[in-house]
Amino acid sequence: QSVLTQPPSVSAAPGQKVTISCSGSSSNIGNNYVSWYQQLPGTAPKLLIYENNKRPSGIPDRFSGSKSGTSATLGITGLQTGDEADYYCGTWDSSLSALFGGGTKLTVL
Amino acid sequence: QVQLVQSGAEVKKPGASVKVSCKASGYTFTGYYMHWVRQAPGQGLEWMGWINPNSGGTNYAQKFQGRVTMTRDTSISTAYMELSRLRSDDTAVYYCARDRGRVVVAATYWFDPWGQGTLVTVSS
Repeated sequence: QSVLTQPPSVSAAPGQKVTISCSGSSSNIGNNYVSWYQQLPGTAPKLLIYENNKRPSGIPDRFSGSKSGTSATLGITGLQTGDEADYYCGTWDSSLSALFGGGTKLTVL
Repeated sequence: QVQLVQSGAEVKKPGASVKVSCKASGYTFTGYYMHWVRQAPGQGLEWMGWINPNSGGTNYAQKFQGRVTMTRDTSISTAYMELSRLRSDDTAVYYCARDRGRVVVAATYWFDPWGQGTLVTVSS
């Protein structure tokens, strides 16, 4: 059971938009930056979003991040079949540990 | 380009130790924290700790304190993670991942990039 709560799965059709939520508390998301990672099947995770809403170079602007209070959201627009992956949120916790959400499996129907 | 290349898969018996390596290239190895993250089969990500390659200082997750040792060899730009007293539930893919923050500032806990992963199987 992860301290950061994500929905186990989300789905949407190609071209549509999807959002993935990540819920925490004041000891983690509420007082720290959030990052998001994409893990394609059989590969290592890849950083999509850092500092709540910044994208590393090479990440398309179809991916966006936001944070409000103790929750964060990853948005993906213009869905493509290649976006099918597991998505993880991450942050720091006052227990002196980095945390990850349990992951959300995105299916592009 | 920044690249992290890890050592190959390992099979260990319960109670043994494993040491995984992570060779960095494309940047100044001593300039950035290096983290280790593991992922059990079909499960999520679990942070294990970091090493400051410049000073050798470490910060381990409480869960792994006493069992994990992170070291580095700056002459070959390689970080190591050794886990001792292995149990079956340590079976996982172990990743190294560079921090985006420079060691002269502070760790950001934003992991970019990641190594390809090393599967460690613990079985009698």
